[in-house]
Amino acid sequence: QSVLTQPPSASGTPGQTVTISCSGTSSNIGSNNIYWYQQLPGTAPKLLIYRNNQRPSGVPDRFSGSKSGTSASLAISGLRSDDEADYYCASWDISLSGHYVFGTGTRVTVL
Amino acid sequence: QVQLRESGPRLVRPSETLSLICTVSGGSFSTYYWGWVRQPPGKGLEWIGCIYYTGSTNYNPSLKSRVTISLDTSKNQFSLKLNSVTAADTAFYYCVNTVKDPFGYEIWGQGPLVTVS
Repeated sequence: QSVLTQPPSASGTPGQTVTISCSGTSSNIGSNNIYWYQQLPGTAPKLLIYRNNQRPSGVPDRFSGSKSGTSASLAISGLRSDDEADYYCASWDISLSGHYVFGTGTRVTVL
Repeated sequence: QVQLRESGPRLVRPSETLSLICTVSGGSFSTYYWGWVRQPPGKGLEWIGCIYYTGSTNYNPSLKSRVTISLDTSKNQFSLKLNSVTAADTAFYYCVNTVKDPFGYEIWGQGPLVTVS
């Protein structure tokens, strides 16, 4: 029952920039930070972006996040074959005593 | 560097209780939140709930009536109990931890598949 909506798929050729959108509401993205996770095939998810646009150590600056109102986006520049993965946005939702919500997920394919 | 490792039965019968333990190594419990996330095979991520090091909890509203997350700081462990399980609860179950930010799950366990059958 994801409340954050993402496009199911996105694609690009090596070197291109791919952008993934994440749409929420005033009780989640509109009130709190956005987080992005990358899940490579067969592995646990990895935190890619926190607090809207901050990168944990080790995450290349090819990954960038932004937020505006109740929407957010993740941009992957200089697309590489090893960026092929599932990407999820997430945020804290202040409704119903507070809970964390993930997006529906976007499969990125490198053509 | 904190590491997490899940343990517990990989097969649970319908209507019974799914129980998992997450053992923490290399870190202290007084770092933000400890939680559980699950992922049915081939599907997206679902947040189950979290516990602060003080013991306060938050749960997914859709699972709240069936879930309990607790801490055992003496054993460096936290646990998940999900009762009255059905086949829909079959999933990879990850224990997670936040480090720099209270809502950014930076540390993940391996995520064993727990099957309800």
